[in-house]
Parts: sequence; C-alpha cells; structure tokens
Amino acid sequence: EAGVVQSPRYKIIEKKQPVAFWCNPISGHNTLYWYLQNLGQGPELLIRYENEEAVDDSQLPKDRFSAERLKGVDSTLKIQPAELGDSAVYLCASSTNNSPLHFGNGTRLTVT
Amino acid sequence: GQQLNQSPQSMFIQEGEDVSMNCTSSSIFNTWLWYKQDPGEGPVLLIALYKAGELTSNGRLTAQFGITRKDSFLNISASIPSDVGIYFCAGQAGGTSYGKLTFGQGTILTVHP
Repeated sequence: EAGVVQSPRYKIIEKKQPVAFWCNPISGHNTLYWYLQNLGQGPELLIRYENEEAVDDSQLPKDRFSAERLKGVDSTLKIQPAELGDSAVYLCASSTNNSPLHFGNGTRLTVT
Repeated sequence: GQQLNQSPQSMFIQEGEDVSMNCTSSSIFNTWLWYKQDPGEGPVLLIALYKAGELTSNGRLTAQFGITRKDSFLNISASIPSDVGIYFCAGQAGGTSYGKLTFGQGTILTVHP
C-alpha cells in the first residue's frame, strides 16, 4: 500500500511570507495528524483530525497557523505569516482506529 | 511541549555490539512505541507495546513495556551499519486510540564498521 504522501519535500521562504503544506494519508485511514519536529527533538503534535473534524488543536498556534481536511481525506497546513522560528520539519501521519501512526517523509521548511 | 526522558542522547558503537536505550516518564502510559528515523525521512514504527510487562521482539530488536507503565527499553543485538539513525520512544496515555503521542528526544546511533 502507498504510504503517507507529503509535498513539497523542501520549502525555503522569506519571513512574513505565507506557506502551505499538503498531506495525503494512507487510504482508509480516518485519523490524520500534523506534527512539528524541531532539529534534535522528537515530533510534537500540532493538530489531529478524526475524518474532517479537528478533535485536538490545542498545540496549534492559531494566530498564524491553520489547517483543513476537507472531505476527510487529504489535508493542508498553512502558516501566514511565517517567522524565522517556524523553520522545522512538518510531519504528517495517519492511522486507523487502534493502530499505530504511520508518518510521511515530512516537509522541511526554512524561513530566511 | 511535554516530552519523555530518553537516554542516552547518542551512542557510538562498533558493528556487532549490542545496544540498549531507554525511556522514562513521570506519567503512566497505556502504549509504548519505538520508531526509527533516517535522515530526511519520517519516523518508521519498529515495535509497539500494549501491556505492562510485555516483551516483544522484531528480528534483532527487543523492547519491553515497564511494569510501572512509566518506562520502556529497546535493545538491538549484533548491530549492523544500517542500524544507524535516530531512535525515538513514544507514549500514548489515554484509552485505546492514538489520540496524542508524546515523543522522547531521540537517541542518535552511530555504528562503525
């Protein structure tokens, strides 16, 4: 089966610019996650979707970050405007009920 | 955000040696997971543990869910160069759904041929 697909793999932008990341989960996986991974750290949850509903977005900085999962399949994470401290790897993961998470290869964001 | 305490932070070993790393938490977890991450890729699941005291193997890898439910270890036997990477533990606290995983800081493993 195809894994979690993320694009782009790399993105370099100037601060204050907007940026968007896209994720296509494994087919049939109803739960989708966006994680943030800073250099030298483990991933930290930003938002979790059950189908099209965001059920945990407590860690999402809502002043500049937004996400959507229209139709409960693929998802987009947006940052507007980006700040220097947003440079990190943004990982998407998906799972079915009672199964471990499968991660995509991430989008590495560099904000200059 | 909250993270687990994973140790050691890094390890440099010779090919063929055994490796052990562990994770501790101040909170109880219902599930422990171990992931491996290669450069430029996402974490890949190695072993999942669902019950306190459980000991599970996956090839040369063995992991255990601590009796107190606050710790877990991962052992790699007879290491090979492709074992190089970053190993993460992750704990899940509530119920049976993978609502929110808490990750350790990672153990960087280097294997010298």
